[in-house]
Amino acid sequence: DVKVTQSSRYLVKRTGEKVFLECVQDMDHENMFWYRQDPGLGLRLIYFSYDVKMKEKGDIPEGYSVSREKKERFSLILESASTNQTSMYLCASITGGSPYGYTFGSGTRLTVV
Amino acid sequence: AQSVTQPDIHITVSEGASLELRCNYSYGATPYLFWYVQSPGQGLQLLLKYFSGDTLVQGIKGFEAEFKRSQSSFNLRKPSVHWSDAAEYFCAVATGGGNKLTFGTGTQLKVEL
Repeated sequence: DVKVTQSSRYLVKRTGEKVFLECVQDMDHENMFWYRQDPGLGLRLIYFSYDVKMKEKGDIPEGYSVSREKKERFSLILESASTNQTSMYLCASITGGSPYGYTFGSGTRLTVV
Repeated sequence: AQSVTQPDIHITVSEGASLELRCNYSYGATPYLFWYVQSPGQGLQLLLKYFSGDTLVQGIKGFEAEFKRSQSSFNLRKPSVHWSDAAEYFCAVATGGGNKLTFGTGTQLKVEL
């Protein structure tokens, strides 16, 4: 089975800190995605990547950036964390051209204080 | 732009009762449709998917869903709910060649014993 691993389950950071959320997949998938999940809002796409060093903005990219230096790793960066970025963050991957749905990581619950 | 509507935020059913969770989508082309389940503190697990062909699709854990193009719906059903089915359920539509998922806001299912 494809495995998508998010390095932290829980994180607490201070306002203004630079935060890195890491995601690694082990099945050579081309496409990787970052979503945030908030009650009543479902999952909203922040950024995605179709290939190494390639990135595309999703629906809510403001306040975030990403990095994909290696195929298996996709990092979400909060340049200056704010309290409104407190949320659950979910990473997912999929092989290119496959309409079979995503494999999700277990999520990182980030609290910004 | 594509969108997914899950009109029921919360649903409560008794164990053993039947279940139907509603999902309506808006998308110009033939959609790829998915249902995911999320147990507390977990990532999302794929229940079932529809791409083409038979409009009644079977999934894991005894779930099924029916695609109705005329109603733009993809409702999830289960004939007899178990207490372990209590979770949040998300409907999603894939666009961008099947690589980008747009999610509904989710339905929280509570099962009364």
